[in-house]
Amino acid sequence: DQQVKQNSPSLSVQEGRISILNCDYTNSMFDYFLWYKKYPAEGPTFLISISSIKDKNEDGRFTVFLNKSAKHLSLHIVPSQPGDSAVYFCAASELSGNTPLVFGKGTRLSVIA
Amino acid sequence: DAGVTQSPTHLIKTRGQQVTLRCSPKSGHDTVSWYQQALGQGPQFIFQYYEEEERQRGNFPDRFSGHQFPNYSSELNVNALLLGDSALYLCASSLDGTLAYEQYFGPGTRLTVT
Repeated sequence: DQQVKQNSPSLSVQEGRISILNCDYTNSMFDYFLWYKKYPAEGPTFLISISSIKDKNEDGRFTVFLNKSAKHLSLHIVPSQPGDSAVYFCAASELSGNTPLVFGKGTRLSVIA
Repeated sequence: DAGVTQSPTHLIKTRGQQVTLRCSPKSGHDTVSWYQQALGQGPQFIFQYYEEEERQRGNFPDRFSGHQFPNYSSELNVNALLLGDSALYLCASSLDGTLAYEQYFGPGTRLTVT
């Protein structure tokens, strides 16, 4: 039973355009959501997060939107750059402390110059 | 400041064998979590160590065990290896009580079971 779902295995976007990565979750106890970026031969690196008390969090070119009623979140990257090409994982946890993260399967983003 | 380091980078084992993977946490961190990332999947939580004890455990069989040393480094042991244990094993370190995003991941150990 997958609690965090990323239904798009891959996404291809032109440089300068917007990239939108989607994530759905089923566990209503999740109250903290994160996006990680992973390059080959490296571990996942934290990108941006959002608490369930918010519906939007922005950090430079990256914005995460949370729709609690739909149990859906999305990551927007504007403008997309070739260096953004990586696998993006959506993750969730029930508490904001040292709790295990539940990851989606990831979406491979390719930004084409 | 070295981040999270893991060894070895790659490992090839035969079914039925045992394997030990190692992790050194980021300086100042006292908590280590282990994740398994199978091909085409996201990382899946195995267990977490704090104060040299297993504090939380995911849905993994007892063949998976671990240890944390006084210097906070950690080992992951897998006994009676199965083909399905082939995966990237990730270690993440954090400071107890910090936020979820403050977990730092190592580059992983790629285990292949033949």
